Amino acid sequence: SAVISQKPSRDICQRGTSLTIQCQVDSQVTMMFWYRQQPGQSLTLIATANQGSEATYESGFVIDKFPISRPNLTFSTLTVSNMSPEDSSIYLCSSLLGGTEAFFGQGTRLTVV
Amino acid sequence: GQNIDQPTEMTATEGAIVQINCTYQTSGFNGLFWYQQHAGEAPTFLSYNVLDGLEEKGRFSSFLSRSKGYSYLLLKELQMKDSASYLCAVGSGAGSYQLTFGKGTKLSVIP
Repeated sequence: SAVISQKPSRDICQRGTSLTIQCQVDSQVTMMFWYRQQPGQSLTLIATANQGSEATYESGFVIDKFPISRPNLTFSTLTVSNMSPEDSSIYLCSSLLGGTEAFFGQGTRLTVV
Repeated sequence: GQNIDQPTEMTATEGAIVQINCTYQTSGFNGLFWYQQHAGEAPTFLSYNVLDGLEEKGRFSSFLSRSKGYSYLLLKELQMKDSASYLCAVGSGAGSYQLTFGKGTKLSVIP
């Protein structure tokens, strides 16, 4: 199995500020995915991040709000910019094991006040 | 578009069998996944079906019918620790296995 270390695990932030979430994978992976899980809801894909290219964003998500970096095959960051209380959510990074099984980081529980 | 439906909540008794259904209408199909998510934790992989039929893995089995857009997760010999949300997800995208998740079924196992 593979492991993704995600940090921070939780944070409370002031509105208008930005938070960067980091994910480190213990093996090289081609694709990494960023999801959002709002309270009581299921996971929604924010974007797909390939190493060496710009991230591909899903409908409703834009790069200015959620810039993503993917500097190498084991690391990615997601920034939540200019936060508002509506951004309070759990953010999860994910990748694929064996090309099919998705495994997840532990999640970042973000509260914006 | 993508549409995945599963029941919101279910309750079952310890030691019993429960079946959680999932129906989907999606553009593109690279497989049907089931994940377990305990409260406050990240989802963990349970099963993957890409061909029709039943896949058995210990106490958990998953079934897929692609022509009907239907899957179920079968949990046998329920234990209290099986109380969790069960997420049905469809993989799509050109080999990228982007996952579209259903809203999840919250299963409560009672003594």
